[in-house]
Amino acid sequence: DAKTTQPNSMESNEEEPVHLPCNHSTISGTDYIHWYRQLPSQGPEYVIHGLTSNVNNRMASLAIAEDRKSSTLILHRATLRDAAVYYCILRDGRGGSNYKLTFGKGTLLTVNP
Amino acid sequence: DAGVIQSPRHEVTEMGQEVTLRCKPISGHNSLFWYRQTMMRGLELLIYFNNNVPIDDSGMPEDRFSAKMPNASFSTLKIQPSEPRDSAVYFCASSWDYNEQFFGPGTRLTVL
Repeated sequence: DAKTTQPNSMESNEEEPVHLPCNHSTISGTDYIHWYRQLPSQGPEYVIHGLTSNVNNRMASLAIAEDRKSSTLILHRATLRDAAVYYCILRDGRGGSNYKLTFGKGTLLTVNP
Repeated sequence: DAGVIQSPRHEVTEMGQEVTLRCKPISGHNSLFWYRQTMMRGLELLIYFNNNVPIDDSGMPEDRFSAKMPNASFSTLKIQPSEPRDSAVYFCASSWDYNEQFFGPGTRLTVL
């Protein structure tokens, strides 16, 4: 399985932008980049995903490097509610038995008031 | 929509007892996933189903664990016999095919 590397932890201040990096140097052409987050005492929740182009949704933006070996999740204005563990995951787009979401340790984001 | 429903939310049992965890996926979803989360091992995929058929159970730790999906609206994860090392939070998630997964609130299992 293709692996991702994320910092163990990051800190941010409320209402400031946050850039969460993820390295995936062994990504294959069929791998999608997914981001999930897990708030304290809750199940993970989907944030965003992309293949090659940058993506935006109401929660965040995903910036994907041109060579696809790294990506950055961008929270435009962090709130206290964004404090969570953020997981960067590669998912094989071919589906079937190739499909898995393999969660690593993620990045623990702390948001300071 | 009520989201993914899991029951019970908390379960405390003694070693050797049978434990059954239940999951109701979001209506219309055709893929269902069982995960386990511990401090030591993080979040692990145990098994997943597509259209009620098990696709990959390679994450199931051993024969004591079994999972079924008799229909599109219900799945169970059974541990028999349970052991203290099975203590964890068990999450169920569902999705339409292999799109974004929606997780339930989890079942916290404690085996004494």
